Amino acid sequence: NAGVTQTPKFQVLKTGQSMTLQCAQDMNHEYMSWYRQDPGMGLRLIHYSVGAGITDQGEVPNGYNVSRSTTEDFPLRLLSAAPSQTSVYFCASSYQRISSYEQYFGPGTRLTVT
Amino acid sequence: RKEVEQDPGPFNVPEGATVAFNCTYSNSASQSFFWYRQDCRKEPKLLMSVYSSGNEDGRFTAQLNRASQYISLLIRDSKLSDSATYLCVVNGDNAGNMLTFGGGTRLMVKP
Repeated sequence: NAGVTQTPKFQVLKTGQSMTLQCAQDMNHEYMSWYRQDPGMGLRLIHYSVGAGITDQGEVPNGYNVSRSTTEDFPLRLLSAAPSQTSVYFCASSYQRISSYEQYFGPGTRLTVT
Repeated sequence: RKEVEQDPGPFNVPEGATVAFNCTYSNSASQSFFWYRQDCRKEPKLLMSVYSSGNEDGRFTAQLNRASQYISLLIRDSKLSDSATYLCVVNGDNAGNMLTFGGGTRLMVKP
């Protein structure tokens, strides 16, 4: 199993550009999440999904969209990039309820917005 | 006040030392607690869950104190390979769909 994969690993955007961060898992996990990690602030939840076709907002959803058309894929879209979105983005998946099961994280995408 | 607070460190300890980290959480209704480990520029990985009765996994012991709303992690006989950032994680909602992460405590084990 590849586990959780994320592309790209690194990305530089200009303010106002849009892009999609890709996330895929091959463990048949129901739950998937997107986090951002900023220095000293810990990981913060952006959006999550409890199954295909079902998504919900996390702690910091503004400026981001998600969709979940398949169990395997959970892309994160930045609508109009801003410097405040410079961060490391992690995708994670878990078998079921996030609070009860181990979360498996992807390797992360390092995004810089200039 | 942050929902989950940790001393950012760094904790610099010699090999073989015993080191302990604490983490405090603000939501008294929290039911699930974890320690994750994150190596430099890598993704977090689960180290251990924290149970009400406390639990041990080799050199690592986790304790939960609900009355004072803190969890602890004790590492005995520290190894160089234990150098990492340790993240305290607590469930952030009653439905169990969200986790709240602390900012992490950095540990550096020296020869």
